[in-house]
Amino acid sequence: DGGITQSPKYLFRKEGQNVTLSCEQNLNHDAMYWYRQDPGQGLRLIYYSQIVNDFQKGDIAEGYSVSREKKESFPLTVTSAQKNPTAFYLCASSIGTATYSNQPQHFGDGTRLSIL
Amino acid sequence: AQSVTQPDIHITVSEGASLELRCNYSYGATPYLFWYVQSPGQGLQLLLKYFSGDTLVQGIKGFEAEFKRSQSSFNLRKPSVHWSDAAEYFCAVARSNTGKLIFGQGTTLQVKP
Repeated sequence: DGGITQSPKYLFRKEGQNVTLSCEQNLNHDAMYWYRQDPGQGLRLIYYSQIVNDFQKGDIAEGYSVSREKKESFPLTVTSAQKNPTAFYLCASSIGTATYSNQPQHFGDGTRLSIL
Repeated sequence: AQSVTQPDIHITVSEGASLELRCNYSYGATPYLFWYVQSPGQGLQLLLKYFSGDTLVQGIKGFEAEFKRSQSSFNLRKPSVHWSDAAEYFCAVARSNTGKLIFGQGTTLQVKP
């Protein structure tokens, strides 16, 4: 079955540590997205990528970094500069962006990050 | 600026009762609108979408939504709620020319037996 796989499901970070969240898709989608979800705030866009080797900052990119070396993969690193990283992180993908903005995004099951 | 508002943070309905979840958007052109559902600890699942044509759209799980341009609304409805519908519901609008989504804050639905 095609879909989006996020791992791990739960992740703990120590002070001053960088952690990387994995996101893999086998939907052959060009666009991929990372969202942060906090209670009562909906989903906020961290980074997005429209094509391999290219990505753009979203609304809350500070303290995060990404890479897009393969079409299938879009890992998110939460750096030590992110002072409040405790949240639920969701990865999504879609066929494309500008041309296909009426096409829905498909979501993974998320990673819950907590601070030790 | 584009925005989405879901006025109701929390709604409780009895099983078998009808449901309407409100969504208002701010957007200059014809919007692309979506409703997603999220069960606890899970990702988001698409319920339905609107981008043109008939203003009443049907989705999965017996949900429907009506696009009303004059009211800038895209309310989600279901005639008879089941206990399994308890979840959080998000309305979203696609930003013009990018495909990026703007989400509302979500409405949590509780279903009473």
